[in-house]
Amino acid sequence: DTGVSQDPRHKITKRGQNVTFRCDPISEHNRLYWYRQTLGQGPEFLTYFQNEAQLEKSRLLSDRFSAERPKGSFSTLEIQRTEQGDSAMYLCASSPGTGLPFFGQGTRLTVV
Amino acid sequence: DAKTTQPTSMDCAEGRAANLPCNHSTISGNEYVYWYRQIHSQGPQYIIHGLKNNETNEMASLIITEDRKSSTLILPHATLRDTAVYYCIVRRPFDGSGNTGKLIFGQGTTLQVKP
Repeated sequence: DTGVSQDPRHKITKRGQNVTFRCDPISEHNRLYWYRQTLGQGPEFLTYFQNEAQLEKSRLLSDRFSAERPKGSFSTLEIQRTEQGDSAMYLCASSPGTGLPFFGQGTRLTVV
Repeated sequence: DAKTTQPTSMDCAEGRAANLPCNHSTISGNEYVYWYRQIHSQGPQYIIHGLKNNETNEMASLIITEDRKSSTLILPHATLRDTAVYYCIVRRPFDGSGNTGKLIFGQGTTLQVKP
């Protein structure tokens, strides 16, 4: 499968714990995006990278959230001290430059 | 990027055409209309896009009115697998001209295809 891959697909964590998600973009896609989607809403933009540089961050990305793309390939999204309001689907997308983005299947986070 | 308005939900009988409307009265001259869909528990999937001419691909047709203030996505023979949330997004083209490439999603239209 050469599409965008996200791991894990599902994560259940206790409130206050830290979680980390991984996204592997389509090979040679230099742009990578993170979105968050809560129940009944459309995806909301969080941040994006061009290669290893994080170029834009949404106000939704509080200081408990951090995203990295250290070598310009895969990316990680970490949430520290999770809260119940962090329960959502976290989607990753990649694109060749500013070309059409392709999405992964997402990681469903449940904070209990 | 221009804002869009879509109905919250629609039903369609299996095998019939599904016509999903989208209003984008504030669209600018250089903005395209993009359609994505999201099947339950999956990531959004690109369907089709257009500027002012009608477009067709293997998935769907896109009809854009002459004044470009509204458009309709047509699934010619809907199947149960077309049940999904359909998002209409208006934005500058993904043409490498330096824009961010991010998408601004609304709430979309939930299409339920019924047997």
